[in-house]
Amino acid sequence: GAGVSQSPSNKVTEKGKDVELRCDPISGHTALYWYRQSLGQGLEFLIYFQGNSAPDKSGLPSDRFSAERTGGSVSTLTIQRTQQEDSAVYLCASRQTYNAPLEKLFFGSGTQLSVL
Amino acid sequence: KQEVTQIPAALSVPEGENLVLNCSFTDSAIYNLQWFRQDPGKGLTSLLLIQSSQREQTSGRLNASLDKSSGRSTLYIAASQPGDSATYLCAVIFLSSGTYKYIFGTGTRLKVLA
Repeated sequence: GAGVSQSPSNKVTEKGKDVELRCDPISGHTALYWYRQSLGQGLEFLIYFQGNSAPDKSGLPSDRFSAERTGGSVSTLTIQRTQQEDSAVYLCASRQTYNAPLEKLFFGSGTQLSVL
Repeated sequence: KQEVTQIPAALSVPEGENLVLNCSFTDSAIYNLQWFRQDPGKGLTSLLLIQSSQREQTSGRLNASLDKSSGRSTLYIAASQPGDSATYLCAVIFLSSGTYKYIFGTGTRLKVLA
């Protein structure tokens, strides 16, 4: 696609429910990142996928958070048993290759998650 | 642990002014530094990427400089316009366990008044 696409753009859910957030990276991009941006805060790294290698999950805040990337393309971030503190904008980004420092990072528009 | 700080947190200027946004980082062992712009309700748009071996990059009215040894980068915006109003974030890029990681600052909210 022309850019990184995220869906839904907005999600309102009740505390305790599970949610799935989707990211469709730029076609051909092998590296994919998930970040979380809370109100007034910087971007918090969550998880990183590179090619077919095992993902770097070091930023996931708890075991309620998981992510997968199918076929090296689309990625889904799942939050189980959502809590109010999970409310934030979840941003996905991709870059063409995972081992070239000069590649720019391209972001989607994000999913605004509100947990009531 | 790498920390990235941006000063000021917010800035309001009249149209036409030249301005400087600051970004500082605690660990100089970085590969590159990238400046982004974020409009309300949107994702981040890349503005400039500076390699660690470079001292500056220019794109139109934007000029970014990097002083790696002192842990500082500046984004200079010339002849500011209302359309420049956005949040500007810097990110340092470093290699950790074979992964290129990005550490972002909390941003500078810029408002350019017409």
